[in-house]
Amino acid sequence: KQEVTQIPAALSVPEGENLVLNCSFTDSAIYNLQWFRQDPGKGLTSLLLIQSSQREQTSGRLNASLDKSSGRSTLYIAASQPGDSATYLCAASNQGGKLIFGQGTELSVKP
Amino acid sequence: DTGVSQDPRHKITKRGQNVTFRCDPISEHNRLYWYRQTLGQGPEFLTYFQNEAQLEKSRLLSDRFSAERPKGSFSTLEIQRTEQGDSAMYLCASSSPPGQILTTNEKLFFGSGTQLSVL
Repeated sequence: KQEVTQIPAALSVPEGENLVLNCSFTDSAIYNLQWFRQDPGKGLTSLLLIQSSQREQTSGRLNASLDKSSGRSTLYIAASQPGDSATYLCAASNQGGKLIFGQGTELSVKP
Repeated sequence: DTGVSQDPRHKITKRGQNVTFRCDPISEHNRLYWYRQTLGQGPEFLTYFQNEAQLEKSRLLSDRFSAERPKGSFSTLEIQRTEQGDSAMYLCASSSPPGQILTTNEKLFFGSGTQLSVL
């Protein structure tokens, strides 16, 4: 049974700092891994999707990596901004598209 | 608006009442998912459809819960005899299968959710 864990649960950083969010999963037989952003009381916004055959994906200041052998993914945010404050969720997908989510990391970027 | 839409945004009900939520997916997506999220937790999978076929149901989906997607377009999630433990955000998402729409690349697109409060 797939289990996804995110560390830390919460993170506070000053504006401009680079940061890394961590995600681990127990079953390496994933189809893809996705990172989402969620603002309070809102739905989820897809940030990056890494196929199981890929090692990383980049979008603007975001870079996500995937290491299936160790069951880990990281989300790197460069030059953080207050607008990046949100909860970040990672999710491992099977081939049917069913996602198993971690608990999320609540990020606060202080001006 | 071409995103996933959910209705209503908020629902307050009394214990024992039935409630129904609606989800309209992105029109070209044939996969539709329902998730439930409680405060401080990640979303939990409930069920998913490919077109009108319900392909998987979580054990979280007790017999009080039923989901339908009669014409392979919108979907409804009904909860009968609501309990206080049903209070949560109910999220709907849609996606395209592999290779169908390369630009969205199997990403799940979520609606804003329906926040259910059972008193």
